[in-house]
Amino acid sequence: GQNIDQPTEMTATEGAIVQINCTYQTSGFNGLFWYQQHAGEAPTFLSYNVLDGLEEKGRFSSFLSRSKGYSYLLLKELQMKDSASYLCAVRGPGGSYIPTFGRGTSLIVHP
Amino acid sequence: EAQVTQNPRYLITVTGKKLTVTCSQNMNHEYMSWYRQDPGLGLRQIYYSMNVEVTDKGDVPEGYKVSRKEKRNFPLILESPSPNQTSLYFCASSLWLENNEQFFGPGTRLTVL
Repeated sequence: GQNIDQPTEMTATEGAIVQINCTYQTSGFNGLFWYQQHAGEAPTFLSYNVLDGLEEKGRFSSFLSRSKGYSYLLLKELQMKDSASYLCAVRGPGGSYIPTFGRGTSLIVHP
Repeated sequence: EAQVTQNPRYLITVTGKKLTVTCSQNMNHEYMSWYRQDPGLGLRQIYYSMNVEVTDKGDVPEGYKVSRKEKRNFPLILESPSPNQTSLYFCASSLWLENNEQFFGPGTRLTVL
């Protein structure tokens, strides 16, 4: 099975940097995803990590350490529109490739 | 426009009345799946399909059925809905099983009274 932990809620100030952590325990590992979900809307893909290290994409970066079962999503130059839920998902081994989602971190950006 | 569509977007029904939520994608994706999202529980996969006529159970399949007769469509069927199936449902698709990015539909908010 898989267990994914991320903080329930975080707050940050516009223009600042915030790091959202995700830890996981899995019987196997085949990649980690981050999705953004605004209230009442569908999740949208942000990043995918399968190897250790940092992947940068504009204001968003995602880091993975497989040995530690740990990932983080780094958001720079925060904007009000970044207020959303951020979902960490881990894909396990085997033929199903089904990703297991964490419960999400609700990020509130205030002026 | 490349997209995943779901219908209806909102539905209020009563216990035991069969219903179908449709899902369609226009991206020629092979892999499609259904999720439900509940407060405090996150997204949980109900069923998935790797291609036409190939479907399999996800984490919470009880009370649901699916079919994949055409590549673009993946309907979710609730034969006898119950109040514990009140939830927000998302359909998703990706180009193939190993593809990293899933595209989600807009969601269907279902209430079973």
